[in-house]
Amino acid sequence: RKEVEQDPGPFNVPEGATVAFNCTYSNSASQSFFWYRQDCRKEPKLLMSVYSSGNEDGRFTAQLNRASQYISLLIRDSKLSDSATYLCVVNMGGLAGGYQKVTFGTGTKLQVIP
Amino acid sequence: DTAVSQTPKYLVTQMGNDKSIKCEQNLGHDTMYWYKQDSKKFLKIMFSYNNKELIINETVPNRFSPKSPDKAHLNLHINSLELGDSAVYFCASSHGNEQFFGPGTRLTVL
Repeated sequence: RKEVEQDPGPFNVPEGATVAFNCTYSNSASQSFFWYRQDCRKEPKLLMSVYSSGNEDGRFTAQLNRASQYISLLIRDSKLSDSATYLCVVNMGGLAGGYQKVTFGTGTKLQVIP
Repeated sequence: DTAVSQTPKYLVTQMGNDKSIKCEQNLGHDTMYWYKQDSKKFLKIMFSYNNKELIINETVPNRFSPKSPDKAHLNLHINSLELGDSAVYFCASSHGNEQFFGPGTRLTVL
């Protein structure tokens, strides 16, 4: 089983739709979780952290289910500008020297259609 | 001002050559990374340095040698380039959880 798994998509959705992505992780000791966004031919950028209680940032809602070992990202009222690849990131915890071992999923591609 | 910068942005070279990619961050972060993103878009960590010291060295051929002259710089030297080295290489830095990525270096080995 891969450490972090995502459905690669693409998810093709019309403007205004609600879309949700899931990401599963294999290490139950994983400590923190994030969603990054990567536009075509650009670098990944942090979209939001994922907290145990769930968190919301405008049209974006992230949730964590530790029992089932998955995180989710919900996008409401999709905009054309939301078209990108969404990367799930799992932090396995601190190692020597303060390094946080993070593992990236392969990403889920979202295409919002006019 | 660019937070994490990489040079060059594009690199096209022949098999067997040796090349270097440079990375600099002006964020004052202690930790820097090199990632490789292949044609399938899988982003895989290669190395991590903390305060100029190597912390993580994933399963990477020893043709790849990182060098950190100071904590703001992490360069990547690649010897005897192979076709399979073609990818986008991202440098990143962090202080805490969030990683800040450079714009990437697109390496093509012919």
